[in-house]
Order: sequence, then structure tokens, then C-alpha cells
Amino acid sequence: EPEVTQTPSHQVTQMGQEVILRCVPISNHLYFYWYRQILGQKVEFLVSFYNNEISEKSEIFDDRFSVERPDGSNFTLKIRSTKLEDSAMYFCASSLDRDSGANVLTFGAGSRLTVL
Amino acid sequence: AQKVTQAQTEISVVEKEDVTLDCVYETRDTTYYLFWYKQPPSGELVFLIRRNSFDEQNEISGRYSWNFQKSTSSFNFTITASQVVDSAVYFCALSGYTGRRALTFGSGTRLQVQP
Repeated sequence: EPEVTQTPSHQVTQMGQEVILRCVPISNHLYFYWYRQILGQKVEFLVSFYNNEISEKSEIFDDRFSVERPDGSNFTLKIRSTKLEDSAMYFCASSLDRDSGANVLTFGAGSRLTVL
Repeated sequence: AQKVTQAQTEISVVEKEDVTLDCVYETRDTTYYLFWYKQPPSGELVFLIRRNSFDEQNEISGRYSWNFQKSTSSFNFTITASQVVDSAVYFCALSGYTGRRALTFGSGTRLQVQP
């Protein structure tokens, strides 16, 4: 069964550093997403991406965050100047088709970010 | 604004018991989707079901069943004859049909099934 793969599974970084989390969505999917889950809390939407641009973003997705699809297969989340409160599990997801109403997101296994 | 409430923080049952996980939602959209996702101890989010707002038929899939009641804005999930492998955190989620498509998740219900 096709899956969304994420790397790294765990990243530890010092406050103020930049991190890049990588995702390979399912190959025929068109919509890409990042969500995060602070330990023990709910899953929160960060950003959605379609046709090489951001289609939606939340208040969490401030100007320290950026996304990119550099090569047609990878989908990356970059966090600059990391803060302690960025520590969370970051989930990448993809979905096939917005207009058909499918909108079923397939999630990756997550990348745990720890900011010290 | 959209909101999903899962009032049950944690439920513990003994294997073979039936258990219902509650989900209540708020939205101004007239059409929308509702979802359940499972998060086992390994941490990934596993899709269980999607329901659109104009289809109020209940659904059964093996030991799982879902009761969607638009009149009470609820989308409850029942596991029949629970098994230890059902132990996980279960999230209810909501998205718009058009416009904003991001999923709004509830806070989750942790289900512990004891042998």
C-alpha cells in the first residue's frame, strides 16, 4: 500500500537553529500538508500546499516556517530560528484530489523535533 | 469557526466489551466532512472513516460502527467486542467541503483495552 514517508524520525536541535523536515508524499497525490502534535495534545494544522503554492495556513505557521516542493517528489518543512515551543511531532500528509471531495489524508509516521 | 470536542479523555475497558467514543462538532458550513483517525502507540495516524454531511446513514465495518446524527452534531464511534490491539488514541476530525479544507481535530480519546 502506498505510504507517505518522513525523515528524520527524530531530530534534536539547539534553540535558534534551523531545521528541515522532509516528506515524500504518495506519488499521484496533489495536495500536501503539514500538521503538528505537541506531546499529549491534539493534532494541529500548519499548512496545505497545492500547485506549488500555499493554499491554507494556520496562525502557527508564522514567518519562521516555510514549505517547498523542490524536486517534484519531496515536500519539506523548514523552521528557522527554532524555539523551545516548536518541540512537537510533525506529520506530513497528502491527499489525492480536492475537487472530487476525496480529501482523505494519508499521514506519514511523523518526525519528532526536540528543541533544547 | 470549526470545533471538535471529544469529552472523553481516557476510557479503559476489558477485552470483549463494547465501547463508544463520543465526538461533537461545531461548524458554520452547510456541507462538511467528518473523520476518525486512530493513533496507535507507534505514533502514526491511521485513517478509519470519512463521512460527508449529506449522508447520515450509519456505517458498519467489521467490529467498528459509526453513528452520525446531524441534529445533535455528533459522530460517535463504537467498537464492538474490543481487543487489546484496539488500544490507541482515537481522533475525530472535521473539514469543510469547499474553501477551508484543513482538518480540525478533537483532542483525542485514549482507549485502553485490558486483557
